[in-house]
Amino acid sequence: AQSVTQPDIHITVSEGASLELRCNYSYGATPYLFWYVQSPGQGLQLLLKYFSGDTLVQGIKGFEAEFKRSQSSFNLRKPSVHWSDAAEYFCVRPKLSFGAGTTVTVRA
Amino acid sequence: NAGVTQTPKFQVLKTGQSMTLQCAQDMNHEYMSWYRQDPGMGLRLIHYSVGAGITDQGEVPNGYNVSRSTTEDFPLRLLSAAPSQTSVYFCASSSGRTALGTGELFFGEGSRLTVL
Repeated sequence: AQSVTQPDIHITVSEGASLELRCNYSYGATPYLFWYVQSPGQGLQLLLKYFSGDTLVQGIKGFEAEFKRSQSSFNLRKPSVHWSDAAEYFCVRPKLSFGAGTTVTVRA
Repeated sequence: NAGVTQTPKFQVLKTGQSMTLQCAQDMNHEYMSWYRQDPGMGLRLIHYSVGAGITDQGEVPNGYNVSRSTTEDFPLRLLSAAPSQTSVYFCASSSGRTALGTGELFFGEGSRLTVL
């Protein structure tokens, strides 16, 4: 079955530090992959998406993700975290299977 | 811009009661879906629809019914609520006729349901 796995349930990072969230997918074919963010008490917003082509994808809020077929991964990164990045992050793929999510806490 | 509107935002039910969660979108999206969000489990797809008159089951459909009589509306019905249905429910819509998920999902703000 198609699925995504987010190995990290919770990550704590200092403000200004870099952030990387892991996402692994199962299934052989080139997948469509998305990252969504859910800020506290809010709905979900699309950060970025990968369909094909360039494996480094730029998104909103300074986030980027890199698709690596050899590692079946689509990790999300941000070079310098802001306090407003504290949220839950979901890796998603068709048929819109959500990963369990990674909660990011930002400490001052 | 209304986008995806869900009502109610909060609801408390007793076991065995029925209720309907309403979802409406004004973006003329063909695809609409319902998810439930539970701690540690991400979002799980309950039902989805690829157009008016067409619905299909997702990952966790038991205990829920849906219908799609118009493009705009996609209500979710709980016929006999159970405590296991305590959750936060999200409605989402997307452009495109398929459930391949190539289009961006637009989410409502969620409905928190508690079943006692």
